[in-house]
Amino acid sequence: AQKVTQAQTEISVVEKEDVTLDCVYETRDTTYYLFWYKQPPSGELVFLIRRNSFDEQNEISGRYSWNFQKSTSSFNFTITASQVVDSAVYFCALSTPFFAGGTSYGKLTFGQGTILTVHP
Amino acid sequence: EAGVTQFPSHSVIEKGQTVTLRCDPISGHDNLYWYRRVMGKEIKFLLHFVKESKQDESGMPNNRFLAERTGGTYSTLKVQPAELEDSGVYFCASSQGLGSGLAKNIQYFGAGTRLSVL
Repeated sequence: AQKVTQAQTEISVVEKEDVTLDCVYETRDTTYYLFWYKQPPSGELVFLIRRNSFDEQNEISGRYSWNFQKSTSSFNFTITASQVVDSAVYFCALSTPFFAGGTSYGKLTFGQGTILTVHP
Repeated sequence: EAGVTQFPSHSVIEKGQTVTLRCDPISGHDNLYWYRRVMGKEIKFLLHFVKESKQDESGMPNNRFLAERTGGTYSTLKVQPAELEDSGVYFCASSQGLGSGLAKNIQYFGAGTRLSVL
């Protein structure tokens, strides 16, 4: 069974602070995908990043960066110089990709979500 | 290009009534998923369509839930009769067809339908 844990329920920071959202996962699959989604107040889940299990390179996109470490089964997300617009619920998720086979491919297993509030 | 559309955005019904949620996926997306988030808990998988066929319905809570995707386009999720514990936010997501490409394994979500059963 797959499991994703986001231990931080809520985080509150002041604008321009850096903040890291933690994500720890469990899976028996050797091939898998990890995702981060953002849910702003409007409600839809916005895709941020996908990382596959055989690519441990860290990724940076503007103020966002992701640290994937298979040794600790973690996929942490850092926002540098946070802004008020970053306030949202952030979800980490895990899936088994289509080409890995099985009958449950593609479905996402989510963490509980972390509510991030950035104060001006 | 239009995203995933869900309606209604909010539905309030009484216990025992029937409610039908609708999801219009991104045009051309073969895969359609339903998920549910109950009261601040994690978002949980309900079922997965590939075109009009149910690929995986292992997450459906019970037989009061019926999902359809006639013609492989939009999908409906009917709850009949609704119970108090069915309250939550129901999300729909879609992704492109099978394969290993990046785009084909990314699910795009709608804004969800918030269901309140009183």
